[in-house]
Amino acid sequence: AQTVTQSQPEMSVQEAETVTLSCTYDTSESNYYLFWYKQPPSRQMILVIRQEAYKQQNATENRFSVNFQKAAKSFSLKISDSQLGDTAMYFCAFMIFTSGTYKYIFGTGTRLKVLA
Amino acid sequence: EAGVAQSPRYKIIEKRQSVAFWCNPISGHATLYWYQQILGQGPKLLIQFQNNGVVDDSQLPKDRFSAERLKGVDSTLKIQPAKLEDSAVYLCASSPETSRETQYFGPGTRLLVL
Repeated sequence: AQTVTQSQPEMSVQEAETVTLSCTYDTSESNYYLFWYKQPPSRQMILVIRQEAYKQQNATENRFSVNFQKAAKSFSLKISDSQLGDTAMYFCAFMIFTSGTYKYIFGTGTRLKVLA
Repeated sequence: EAGVAQSPRYKIIEKRQSVAFWCNPISGHATLYWYQQILGQGPKLLIQFQNNGVVDDSQLPKDRFSAERLKGVDSTLKIQPAKLEDSAVYLCASSPETSRETQYFGPGTRLLVL
């Protein structure tokens, strides 16, 4: 079974500090994509960062970076210099190509609150 | 470029009533997804279209849910009759052919069934 586990339902961080959100997943596929999505309160979900499983180099997007450990099936998100606008639900997800379709599996989310 | 559009944004109905949601994907995106997001959970895929054909509806409760994308552009998701447990946000997303692994989400429709 394909699963995504986010073990931290809620987290908080002081503005300008660094925070790391955890994600583990389980799949028997060797080729897949991993994603972090951000869903601000009452606003739509947007892509934060993505990682191709075949790439060893960790993805980085400005203040957002990931620590991808393929053998451990771990995909954590680090947010540096946290800003009030980072307050949101963060969903970890992975995508596989199977039976002719792209299949997305989402975690249950981590609610991040950035404190002033 | 315009994003994924959804309407209505909010809907309140009583159980056993019917409801329909509309989605217009980003222009040119061939793949369209409908997700159900129950409060406190991650999105769960209900149905996926490739152009106007269904490629995955394995998690769609077909006794009450139906969806169509007749001309391969906009799509409608219907619930008939609604149950209390259908209260959720219904998200529509689309993907371009050149980057099918990346999804662009709409704002969602928040449904409350009383």
